[in-house]
Amino acid sequence: GENVEQHPSTLSVQEGDSAVIKCTYSDSASNYFPWYKQELGKRPQLIIDIRSNVGEKKDQRIAVTLNKTAKHFSLHITETQPEDSAVYFCAASIEAGNTPLVFGKGTRLSVIA
Amino acid sequence: DGGITQSPKYLFRKEGQNVTLSCEQNLNHDAMYWYRQDPGQGLRLIYYSQIVNDFQKGDIAEGYSVSREKKESFPLTVTSAQKNPTAFYLCASSGQVDTQYFGPGTRLTVL
Repeated sequence: GENVEQHPSTLSVQEGDSAVIKCTYSDSASNYFPWYKQELGKRPQLIIDIRSNVGEKKDQRIAVTLNKTAKHFSLHITETQPEDSAVYFCAASIEAGNTPLVFGKGTRLSVIA
Repeated sequence: DGGITQSPKYLFRKEGQNVTLSCEQNLNHDAMYWYRQDPGQGLRLIYYSQIVNDFQKGDIAEGYSVSREKKESFPLTVTSAQKNPTAFYLCASSGQVDTQYFGPGTRLTVL
Protein backbone atom coordinates (compact mmCIF):
# COMPACT_ATOMS: atom_id res chain seq x y z
CA GLY A 1 0.00 0.00 0.00
CA GLU A 2 0.85 3.66 -0.10
CA ASN A 3 3.47 5.08 2.26
CA VAL A 4 4.03 8.83 2.70
CA GLU A 5 7.20 10.20 4.27
CA GLN A 6 7.32 13.82 5.43
CA HIS A 7 10.32 15.98 6.35
CA PRO A 8 11.29 17.76 8.46
CA SER A 9 9.32 16.86 11.56
CA THR A 10 9.96 20.31 13.05
CA LEU A 11 10.85 23.59 11.36
CA SER A 12 11.58 27.01 12.83
CA VAL A 13 11.82 30.10 10.66
CA GLN A 14 12.04 33.83 11.23
CA GLU A 15 8.99 35.86 10.39
CA GLY A 16 9.15 36.91 6.74
CA ASP A 17 11.33 34.00 5.68
CA SER A 18 10.17 31.08 3.54
CA ALA A 19 9.36 27.58 4.74
CA VAL A 20 9.54 24.39 2.70
CA ILE A 21 8.11 21.01 3.70
CA LYS A 22 8.79 17.94 1.58
CA CYS A 23 6.93 14.65 1.14
CA THR A 24 7.63 11.49 -0.80
CA TYR A 25 5.18 8.75 -1.68
CA SER A 26 5.58 5.17 -2.76
CA ASP A 27 2.56 4.29 -4.92
CA SER A 28 2.91 5.51 -8.50
CA ALA A 29 -0.90 5.17 -8.86
CA SER A 30 -1.44 8.11 -6.49
CA ASN A 31 -2.80 11.15 -8.29
CA TYR A 32 -4.11 13.47 -5.61
CA PHE A 33 -2.00 15.32 -3.02
CA PRO A 34 -3.64 17.63 -0.45
CA TRP A 35 -1.98 19.61 2.32
CA TYR A 36 -3.68 20.26 5.66
CA LYS A 37 -2.92 22.73 8.43
CA GLN A 38 -3.80 21.81 12.00
CA GLU A 39 -3.70 24.26 14.89
CA LEU A 40 -3.42 22.96 18.43
CA GLY A 41 -6.55 21.07 19.47
CA LYS A 42 -8.35 21.85 16.22
CA ARG A 43 -9.36 19.90 13.16
CA PRO A 44 -7.08 19.67 10.09
CA GLN A 45 -8.01 22.26 7.47
CA LEU A 46 -7.26 21.92 3.77
CA ILE A 47 -4.94 24.70 2.60
CA ILE A 48 -4.05 23.59 -0.91
CA ASP A 49 -4.13 20.49 -3.08
CA ILE A 50 -2.69 19.36 -6.38
CA ARG A 51 -3.60 16.71 -8.90
CA SER A 52 -1.11 14.77 -10.98
CA ASN A 53 -1.87 16.57 -14.23
CA VAL A 54 -0.41 19.77 -12.75
CA GLY A 55 3.21 20.42 -11.73
CA GLU A 56 2.67 23.48 -9.57
CA LYS A 57 -0.19 25.34 -7.95
CA LYS A 58 -0.20 28.66 -6.08
CA ASP A 59 -2.60 30.38 -3.74
CA GLN A 60 -1.29 33.71 -2.45
CA ARG A 61 1.66 32.90 -0.15
CA ILE A 62 1.28 29.13 -0.49
CA ALA A 63 2.46 26.94 -3.34
CA VAL A 64 2.74 23.22 -3.92
CA THR A 65 5.00 21.50 -6.45
CA LEU A 66 4.74 17.93 -7.67
CA ASN A 67 7.33 15.73 -9.33
CA LYS A 68 5.60 12.51 -10.38
CA THR A 69 8.75 10.95 -11.78
CA ALA A 70 10.57 11.29 -8.49
CA LYS A 71 7.37 10.74 -6.48
CA HIS A 72 7.74 13.77 -4.29
CA PHE A 73 5.79 16.94 -3.62
CA SER A 74 6.53 20.02 -1.56
CA LEU A 75 4.73 22.83 0.23
CA HIS A 76 6.23 26.31 0.02
CA ILE A 77 5.12 29.15 2.30
CA THR A 78 6.56 32.57 1.55
CA GLU A 79 6.65 35.66 3.77
CA THR A 80 5.79 33.58 6.82
CA GLN A 81 3.74 35.12 9.60
CA PRO A 82 3.24 34.03 13.24
CA GLU A 83 -0.25 32.77 12.38
CA ASP A 84 1.35 30.25 10.03
CA SER A 85 2.62 28.40 13.12
CA ALA A 86 0.86 25.02 13.17
CA VAL A 87 1.33 21.38 12.23
CA TYR A 88 1.20 20.71 8.49
CA PHE A 89 0.29 17.32 7.00
CA CYS A 90 0.77 16.09 3.48
CA ALA A 91 -1.34 13.25 2.12
CA ALA A 92 -1.77 11.13 -0.99
CA SER A 93 -4.52 9.08 -2.59
CA ILE A 94 -5.37 7.53 -5.93
CA GLU A 95 -7.99 10.18 -6.59
CA ALA A 96 -9.86 12.97 -4.87
CA GLY A 97 -13.25 11.83 -3.71
CA ASN A 98 -14.31 8.54 -2.22
CA THR A 99 -10.87 7.09 -1.51
CA PRO A 100 -8.93 7.22 1.74
CA LEU A 101 -5.95 9.49 2.20
CA VAL A 102 -2.59 8.29 3.47
CA PHE A 103 -0.99 10.97 5.63
CA GLY A 104 2.57 11.90 6.44
CA LYS A 105 3.45 12.24 10.12
CA GLY A 106 3.35 16.00 10.09
CA THR A 107 5.69 18.98 10.37
CA ARG A 108 5.48 21.37 13.28
CA LEU A 109 6.21 24.84 11.90
CA SER A 110 7.13 27.64 14.29
CA VAL A 111 7.37 31.17 12.94
CA ILE A 112 9.44 33.35 15.26
CA ALA A 113 8.51 37.01 15.38
CA ASP B 1 -16.21 21.47 7.11
CA GLY B 2 -18.81 23.22 9.24
CA GLY B 3 -21.28 20.56 8.04
CA ILE B 4 -19.54 17.76 9.95
CA THR B 5 -20.21 17.40 13.65
CA GLN B 6 -18.72 15.04 16.21
CA SER B 7 -19.85 14.35 19.75
CA PRO B 8 -18.90 14.34 22.46
CA LYS B 9 -15.90 16.68 22.42
CA TYR B 10 -14.34 14.86 25.37
CA LEU B 11 -14.98 11.27 26.42
CA PHE B 12 -13.68 9.20 29.29
CA ARG B 13 -13.64 5.43 29.23
CA LYS B 14 -13.18 3.00 32.05
CA GLU B 15 -11.36 -0.30 31.63
CA GLY B 16 -13.52 -2.94 29.92
CA GLN B 17 -16.08 -0.41 28.70
CA ASN B 18 -17.31 0.11 25.14
CA VAL B 19 -17.89 3.69 24.05
CA THR B 20 -19.42 5.13 20.88
CA LEU B 21 -18.29 8.30 19.13
CA SER B 22 -20.81 10.10 16.97
CA CYS B 23 -20.18 11.62 13.52
CA GLU B 24 -22.86 13.35 11.47
CA GLN B 25 -22.61 15.29 8.18
CA ASN B 26 -25.16 17.31 6.23
CA LEU B 27 -22.98 17.79 3.14
CA ASN B 28 -24.62 14.95 1.20
CA HIS B 29 -21.23 13.25 0.98
CA ASP B 30 -21.13 9.59 0.02
CA ALA B 31 -17.88 8.70 1.78
CA MET B 32 -17.05 8.95 5.46
CA TYR B 33 -13.86 8.12 7.37
CA TRP B 34 -12.52 7.65 10.88
CA TYR B 35 -8.93 8.52 11.75
CA ARG B 36 -6.99 8.24 14.95
CA GLN B 37 -4.37 10.85 15.81
CA ASP B 38 -1.57 10.27 18.32
CA PRO B 39 1.25 12.73 19.00
CA GLY B 40 3.93 12.43 16.34
CA GLN B 41 2.01 9.75 14.44
CA GLY B 42 -0.03 11.74 12.00
CA LEU B 43 -3.49 10.49 11.11
CA ARG B 44 -4.10 6.78 10.77
CA LEU B 45 -7.17 5.31 9.09
CA ILE B 46 -9.44 3.15 11.24
CA TYR B 47 -12.47 2.52 8.98
CA TYR B 48 -14.07 4.10 5.97
CA SER B 49 -17.37 3.82 4.15
CA GLN B 50 -17.98 4.73 0.53
CA ILE B 51 -21.69 3.99 0.54
CA VAL B 52 -24.51 3.26 2.95
CA ASN B 53 -24.49 -0.24 4.46
CA ASP B 54 -20.89 -0.86 3.40
CA PHE B 55 -17.58 -0.13 5.10
CA GLN B 56 -13.94 -1.18 4.87
CA LYS B 57 -11.19 -1.69 7.42
CA GLY B 58 -8.33 0.72 7.48
CA ASP B 59 -4.81 0.24 8.80
CA ILE B 60 -5.70 0.04 12.50
CA ALA B 61 -9.22 -1.44 12.67
CA GLU B 62 -8.57 -3.91 15.50
CA GLY B 63 -10.61 -3.08 18.58
CA TYR B 64 -12.99 -0.77 16.70
CA SER B 65 -16.35 -1.25 14.97
CA VAL B 66 -18.55 0.97 12.79
CA SER B 67 -21.94 1.04 11.13
CA ARG B 68 -23.32 3.04 8.20
CA GLU B 69 -27.09 2.73 8.32
CA LYS B 70 -27.69 6.28 7.10
CA LYS B 71 -25.77 8.43 4.64
CA GLU B 72 -25.45 11.20 7.22
CA SER B 73 -24.12 9.12 10.10
CA PHE B 74 -21.02 7.01 10.71
CA PRO B 75 -20.62 6.13 14.43
CA LEU B 76 -17.44 4.55 15.76
CA THR B 77 -17.45 2.15 18.70
CA VAL B 78 -14.24 1.72 20.66
CA THR B 79 -14.47 -1.73 22.22
CA SER B 80 -12.77 -3.16 25.26
CA ALA B 81 -10.51 -5.08 22.86
CA GLN B 82 -8.74 -1.79 22.00
CA LYS B 83 -6.04 -1.78 24.65
CA ASN B 84 -4.68 1.71 24.13
CA PRO B 85 -7.59 3.88 23.01
CA THR B 86 -6.43 7.22 24.40
CA ALA B 87 -6.18 9.47 21.34
CA PHE B 88 -7.81 12.23 19.32
CA TYR B 89 -10.42 10.79 16.94
CA LEU B 90 -11.29 12.61 13.74
CA CYS B 91 -14.17 11.92 11.42
CA ALA B 92 -14.11 13.13 7.81
CA SER B 93 -16.33 13.03 4.75
CA SER B 94 -15.87 13.59 1.03
CA GLY B 95 -17.94 13.93 -2.09
CA GLN B 96 -17.42 12.25 -5.47
CA VAL B 97 -14.52 14.40 -6.66
CA ASP B 98 -13.84 16.43 -3.57
CA THR B 99 -11.25 16.37 -0.85
CA GLN B 100 -11.91 15.26 2.71
CA TYR B 101 -13.29 17.66 5.26
CA PHE B 102 -12.87 16.97 8.93
CA GLY B 103 -15.09 17.23 11.97
CA PRO B 104 -13.90 18.95 15.16
CA GLY B 105 -12.75 15.70 16.77
CA THR B 106 -13.36 13.74 19.97
CA ARG B 107 -10.65 13.39 22.58
CA LEU B 108 -10.92 10.00 24.28
CA THR B 109 -9.13 9.29 27.54
CA VAL B 110 -8.94 6.00 29.40
CA LEU B 111 -9.32 6.33 33.15
